Amino acid sequence: AQTVTQSQPEMSVQEAETVTLSCTYDTSENNYYLFWYKQPPSRQMILVIRQEAYKQQNATENRFSVNFQKAAKSFSLKISDSQLGDTAMYFCAFMNPPNFGNEKLTFGTGTRLTIIP
Amino acid sequence: EADIYQTPRYLVIGTGKKITLECSQTMGHDKMYWYQQDPGMELHLIHYSYGVNSTEKGDLSSESTVSRIRTEHFPLTLESARPSHTSQYLCASSDTSGGADTGELFFGEGSRLTVL
Repeated sequence: AQTVTQSQPEMSVQEAETVTLSCTYDTSENNYYLFWYKQPPSRQMILVIRQEAYKQQNATENRFSVNFQKAAKSFSLKISDSQLGDTAMYFCAFMNPPNFGNEKLTFGTGTRLTIIP
Repeated sequence: EADIYQTPRYLVIGTGKKITLECSQTMGHDKMYWYQQDPGMELHLIHYSYGVNSTEKGDLSSESTVSRIRTEHFPLTLESARPSHTSQYLCASSDTSGGADTGELFFGEGSRLTVL
């Protein structure tokens, strides 16, 4: 079974600074999807960024980028120029690819990120 | 904002009561999911559905049951609530039709259940 580990339960950073959230995972598969989801306080969880394991290029979405190290099974999220609205729980998640027969998300325990004004 | 809705958002009930948590999505997604999340903790999949009349149990054992009679509706029922059922329940959906499965889940705002 796949496992996802987030070793930083809580982090805080000053507004406008850069912060990196760590995530490692364990799988014997070669192709899979990795995600970072954001859960703001009392609001819906939303997708931040997605990475397909067969793509070597790291995914980027505006201020959010990942450092995907497939051999090390590491998938960290970097938030640049952090904003107050980035305050949230961040979950790393793993999924087998479609049509694999087990396309369910496995979540890490989350990192509570606080952006300090 | 995703078009997936959960009601009630908050519910406080006594032990032994039957409750149903509603989840509806207007996106026509085929897959739907229920996750259980304790405060500040990870999400655990308790039920999922690949489409109408399809329901499966997730990784975390749950005494709740689900049904999928219509594509857009995926209610979760507890026949007799207990304090151990106190948690947040998140509903989600995804679109896997036409080979367009990106794996992205769209979540509702959650139903926070407290059983006294």
